[in-house]
Amino acid sequence: GAGVSQSPSNKVTEKGKDVELRCDPISGHTALYWYRQSLGQGLEFLIYFQGNSAPDKSGLPSDRFSAERTGGSVSTLTIQRTQQEDSAVYLCASSLMAGGMYEQYFGPGTRLTVT
Amino acid sequence: AQTVTQSQPEMSVQEAETVTLSCTYDTSENNYYLFWYKQPPSRQMILVIRQEAYKQQNATENRFSVNFQKAAKSFSLKISDSQLGDTAMYFCAFWGNQGGKLIFGQGTELSVKP
Repeated sequence: GAGVSQSPSNKVTEKGKDVELRCDPISGHTALYWYRQSLGQGLEFLIYFQGNSAPDKSGLPSDRFSAERTGGSVSTLTIQRTQQEDSAVYLCASSLMAGGMYEQYFGPGTRLTVT
Repeated sequence: AQTVTQSQPEMSVQEAETVTLSCTYDTSENNYYLFWYKQPPSRQMILVIRQEAYKQQNATENRFSVNFQKAAKSFSLKISDSQLGDTAMYFCAFWGNQGGKLIFGQGTELSVKP
C-alpha cells in the first residue's frame, strides 16, 4: 500500500517568507508526527497528533511554527517569517496509534533551505 | 528528561564482517521501547529492530540483533555479514510514557567497504 508522502520534496525560500509543508499519512493511521533533522543531527520532535485529542506541541521551537491536521488525515506544518536556522529536513511519520508498540512509518521528508 | 546518546559518529566495516553500534540512554521509567532506525542517502527512515524493555530476550531480525542491558541502560546493534546496502546513518531511539514522540540519538554513519 501507499506509504507516507510529503510535499514538496525540496523547498527554497527567502528569509522572512512563510512556508507550508504537507504530509499525507498512511490511510487509517490515527497518529501523526513531525520531526526536524538539522544537518548532521538526529531527529528532533516537533509536534504530534493522536485522533481527535489536542496535539502535543511541546517540541515546537517558537511561535513561528504551527501545524494542523484536517479531518484526521492530511497535516500541514507552517513556518512563518522563516529564518536561516530553520533550514533542515522536516520529516513526517504516522502510526496506527500512538505508542511504542506501534511502528512509526516515515515519509521521505522535505528539505527546506532558507536563503 | 530522557536522553539517548550515540558516541560513535562514524564507523566502517568490511563487507561480510560484523560491526556493533553503541547506544546508551537515560530514563527513570521501567516500561519503554527502544528502536534502531536506518536512514540511507534517500532520507527514508526504516525501522530495523525494536526491543520492549520488559522482555529480557534480545530482539533479532535476520542479520540484525541487539544487546539490551537494562541495568546499564545500554542498547547496541550488531550487524552480521555486513552488506554494501547496509551503508547508512543508524539512529537509536527511545519511546517512553511521555506521549507518542520518539527521542533520537545523534546517529552513527556506517560505511560498508567492499
